[in-house]
Amino acid sequence: DVKVTQSSRYLVKRTGEKVFLECVQDMDHENMFWYRQDPGLGLRLIYFSYDVKMKEKGDIPEGYSVSREKKERFSLILESASTNQTSMYLCASSLPPRQETQYFGPGTRLLVL
Amino acid sequence: GENVEQHPSTLSVQEGDSAVIKCTYSDSASNYFPWYKQELGKRPQLIIDIRSNVGEKKDQRIAVTLNKTAKHFSLHITETQPEDSAVYFCAASMDSSYKLIFGSGTRLLVRP
Repeated sequence: DVKVTQSSRYLVKRTGEKVFLECVQDMDHENMFWYRQDPGLGLRLIYFSYDVKMKEKGDIPEGYSVSREKKERFSLILESASTNQTSMYLCASSLPPRQETQYFGPGTRLLVL
Repeated sequence: GENVEQHPSTLSVQEGDSAVIKCTYSDSASNYFPWYKQELGKRPQLIIDIRSNVGEKKDQRIAVTLNKTAKHFSLHITETQPEDSAVYFCAASMDSSYKLIFGSGTRLLVRP
């Protein structure tokens, strides 16, 4: 059974803080993704990675960066949190090739004050 | 780039009735169309997918149809049950991309 975990379910941060969101998967998946979910906007891709140390921008990368030092771990970094980054953040992983099922983590609800 | 539109945004049906959710996509190169279900407070999970070499796929009470010419695909749920209540997301992608482009979601409520 695929397991994708995220470091926090709820997080409250102040404007300007550096925020780390961590995602770990235990199924040896090559592909990992970070999405944000906002009402009425669906899931929007922030960044993805198809291999260790490889990363690609998604549709809304501004204000975010990522790190993938190990295959099982994919981190999302908010360099200087802003109130418009208040959202639900979802991590996902999948096997190659590209069009395979994505398995999601439980999500982190981030509130930036 | 690809754009996926999903309708309706909310749908309320009586238990036992059918529910249909429709999505349109813009890029004719898209050839993979999954549907994800997200129950309240839970993570999205794949429920069914279809590739562009088939027009319809069924799995018990759910089915997905694809019209490549019109660039739209639909999710059909028959004999709805209260546990079908959730947000449903359609998505599209193409061979050349890792990206799934999601629709905005449909909140389905099945009234007992």
